Amino acid sequence: QKEVEQDPGPLSVPEGAIVSLNCTYSNSAFQYFMWYRQYSRKGPELLMYTYSSGNKEDGRFTAQVDKSSKYISLFIRDSQPSDSATYLCAMSGSVGDKLVFGAGTILRVKS
Amino acid sequence: DTAVSQTPKYLVTQMGNDKSIKCEQNLGHDTMYWYKQDSKKFLKIMFSYNNKELIINETVPNRFSPKSPDKAHLNLHINSLELGDSAVYFCASSKRDRAADTQYFGPGTRLTVL
Repeated sequence: QKEVEQDPGPLSVPEGAIVSLNCTYSNSAFQYFMWYRQYSRKGPELLMYTYSSGNKEDGRFTAQVDKSSKYISLFIRDSQPSDSATYLCAMSGSVGDKLVFGAGTILRVKS
Repeated sequence: DTAVSQTPKYLVTQMGNDKSIKCEQNLGHDTMYWYKQDSKKFLKIMFSYNNKELIINETVPNRFSPKSPDKAHLNLHINSLELGDSAVYFCASSKRDRAADTQYFGPGTRLTVL
């Protein structure tokens, strides 16, 4: 079993939909949770960063962490075709520790 | 003003050859990384250097040898290339004590071994 599990998709939604992306993990030592967005043939870029449990909102994006369930989510409101990308979750045990990535979910937003 | 740059962007080579990939960052970070992303998009750390010192060395064949001449550069040399080495290799950098929220990735080097 991988430390971080993420459904690879693809997930196809119409423009304007609310998108929910999720990851589960097995290592209870993880405390830092990140979401990266990766456009085709580009490097990953940090989208959201959360410490421990709770919610964090940034514009149309909301990151949620439920440590009791070992489950994290990224919600995208009013999805746009420009949101079409691969979304990778990542996590670490301490702020200076190596990142462990999920496999990434391919998202396609159709206009 | 590219933050993390890699050369070359594409590399096509024959099995058994030796090749190098170069990485440079101008963010003033003290830690640099090499990641491998396979065809299924799974991104896995290979090495990490902090101020030219190797701090992470995952289970990687010893055909792969990183080298950091200074904290702004990290190169990756691969000997005796195999078909299974075909992947996209990403360089990244961060502050040592803020790897979680300061990690920036380069554009990647797409390696194809024939």
